[in-house]
Amino acid sequence: GEDVEQSLFLSVREGDSSVINCTYTDSSSTYLYWYKQEPGAGLQLLTYIFSNMDMKQDQRLTVLLNKKDKHLSLRIADTQTGDSAIYFCAERESSASKIIFGSGTRLSIRP
Amino acid sequence: EAQVTQNPRYLITVTGKKLTVTCSQNMNHEYMSWYRQDPGLGLRQIYYSMNVEVTDKGDVPEGYKVSRKEKRNFPLILESPSPNQTSLYFCASSLSQLRVSPLHFGNGTRLTVT
Repeated sequence: GEDVEQSLFLSVREGDSSVINCTYTDSSSTYLYWYKQEPGAGLQLLTYIFSNMDMKQDQRLTVLLNKKDKHLSLRIADTQTGDSAIYFCAERESSASKIIFGSGTRLSIRP
Repeated sequence: EAQVTQNPRYLITVTGKKLTVTCSQNMNHEYMSWYRQDPGLGLRQIYYSMNVEVTDKGDVPEGYKVSRKEKRNFPLILESPSPNQTSLYFCASSLSQLRVSPLHFGNGTRLTVT
């Protein structure tokens, strides 16, 4: 079946860039999403990319998509303490009525 | 304010005692879904609904029931809760499942079954 995989933890120094990686298995995916979950809260959509795009930039966020390798990444420039959260990668198939989530990457910021 | 509201936020119960977690959205969304979040497993879909009176099983539906009598409400029912249903539950909704419709999430319900 479909699967989305992420590493569980990432630690970066404040001010550096964070890169969170994700791999997926479904080649028919049309939309790929990044969600952010802060402590005690639900998930919030950060950004998404359509599968016919290679890159999308939105302020400090850059999403890169490598369709050949089925690899998605989220880069956060100038990482701040407020970026501490769990980041979920997710995919939606063109024909499916569900979004499949990865296990989430916990990003911690050190001073 | 557009939102998905779940209640309660926290619930502690005993094995076998029926419970309902409510979910309501005020965005006139067609699609609603329930997820459970467990450490290292991410979010797993329990049930979803594409519109009123239309519900379908997700990946982990055993032990749960849902109903969609009105567009705005999508309650999750545990008829006989067991300890393995201790988890963090999220309700989510989106405008449609057919377009780039991001999911809007509630703040979660942390359930403990003893």
